[in-house]
Amino acid sequence: AQSVTQLGSHVSVSEGALVLLRCNYSSSVPPYLFWYVQYPNQGLQLLLKYTSAATLVKGINGFEAEFKKSETSFHLTKPSAHMSDAAEYFCAVSDPGANSKLTFGKGITLSVRP
Amino acid sequence: NAGVTQTPKFQVLKTGQSMTLQCAQDMNHEYMSWYRQDPGMGLRLIHYSVGAGITDQGEVPNGYNVSRSTTEDFPLRLLSAAPSQTSVYFCASSYGPGRTYEQYFGPGTRLTVT
Repeated sequence: AQSVTQLGSHVSVSEGALVLLRCNYSSSVPPYLFWYVQYPNQGLQLLLKYTSAATLVKGINGFEAEFKKSETSFHLTKPSAHMSDAAEYFCAVSDPGANSKLTFGKGITLSVRP
Repeated sequence: NAGVTQTPKFQVLKTGQSMTLQCAQDMNHEYMSWYRQDPGMGLRLIHYSVGAGITDQGEVPNGYNVSRSTTEDFPLRLLSAAPSQTSVYFCASSYGPGRTYEQYFGPGTRLTVT
């Protein structure tokens, strides 16, 4: 069975500071990995995905993530936080070919201080 | 393209009542899924479908039924609502194997069972 661990439920950074949101996964096969963002009272929007191509993945809004097989990690980073980045972020994993079945982490709420 | 649409946006039910949450997509996606989102628990898969006429259970299927008679629609039925089913429900769709792998999410239905 797959699982995703997102340590902590809340991260607070200052505007302009580095954003680092951690994600570790457990999977019996090489997984596909995703980061989604959810703004208040909205659905989920894909930030970026890893599907066994380049290990450093760039997404929308200046976010990127690096797949590290040895650490079973897929941490999300952004060099400089903006106020508009305040949202909830979810890491998710699926088996290749099982596009219909995502396993999500519990989510992390990002706050950005002026 | 409307993407993934869900109706209603909000619903209040009394314990024991039944209802159907509607989901439709206009992207000709093979796969469709239902998730529920609860605070601190991320999203959990309820049921999914890999094509018209084919459905299967996810992580938390009890109390819910689905069917998929067309590619476009994937309704979720609550047969006898319980307070434990108070949640936000998201429908998602994606292409089948060999295409882009991410799921596209609807805006959600916020359900309260009293």
